[in-house]
Amino acid sequence: GAVVSQHPSRVICKSGTSVKIECRSLDFQATTMFWYRQFPKQSLMLMATSNEGSKATYEQGVEKDKFLINHASLTLSTLTVTSAHPEDSSFYICSVGQGANYGYTFGSGTRLTVV
Amino acid sequence: SQKIEQNSEALNIQEGKTATLTCNYTNYSPAYLQWYRQDPGRGPVFLLLIRENEKEKRKERLKVTFDTTLKQSLFHITASQPADSATYLCALSDTGRRALTFGSGTRLQVQP
Repeated sequence: GAVVSQHPSRVICKSGTSVKIECRSLDFQATTMFWYRQFPKQSLMLMATSNEGSKATYEQGVEKDKFLINHASLTLSTLTVTSAHPEDSSFYICSVGQGANYGYTFGSGTRLTVV
Repeated sequence: SQKIEQNSEALNIQEGKTATLTCNYTNYSPAYLQWYRQDPGRGPVFLLLIRENEKEKRKERLKVTFDTTLKQSLFHITASQPADSATYLCALSDTGRRALTFGSGTRLQVQP
């Protein structure tokens, strides 16, 4: 499967600031990447589908202006949490799919803590 | 409404036994279903994929079954080891969508 690198692994930021999370597909040109969020003891919830060269598709209830997604190249998608608040503290994970035969490869995740 | 349900209670078994985890879904017509392993603080790792026209899939000590009539998948780990202790997630894609929807996961604890 694909190799996916996600950075940073942990970040602590102050309330009201913005944080950028990067997701890189190292050996696969990904026209689509997926962003998930996971709260403690809960499952992964899809936030948005990132599309290379076009706008992301957001899931219902996810604020587009708060969670900015940029997929400017086939190997990089970024998620920016703008004006972060403590309730945005969560585990954010990106993933890449090479096709139905291969399953999906996930990044190692970013633990965001907003203080 | 659409649901993917996994037993939320932790499964505790003795080393060497077979662990069986269940995934039930409603109001989905998935072309395939996937199983992932997730360790604390890490992203999920792909284990197995089974298609709607397949009844069973095996990989080493892992076996997955898929019953589209019952809308259920069973995930088996034979000869379980303490290193198999993790949370196991089932996931599927709805028709026409590439994104995965995950069940809540079942935590497996294998006692030595």
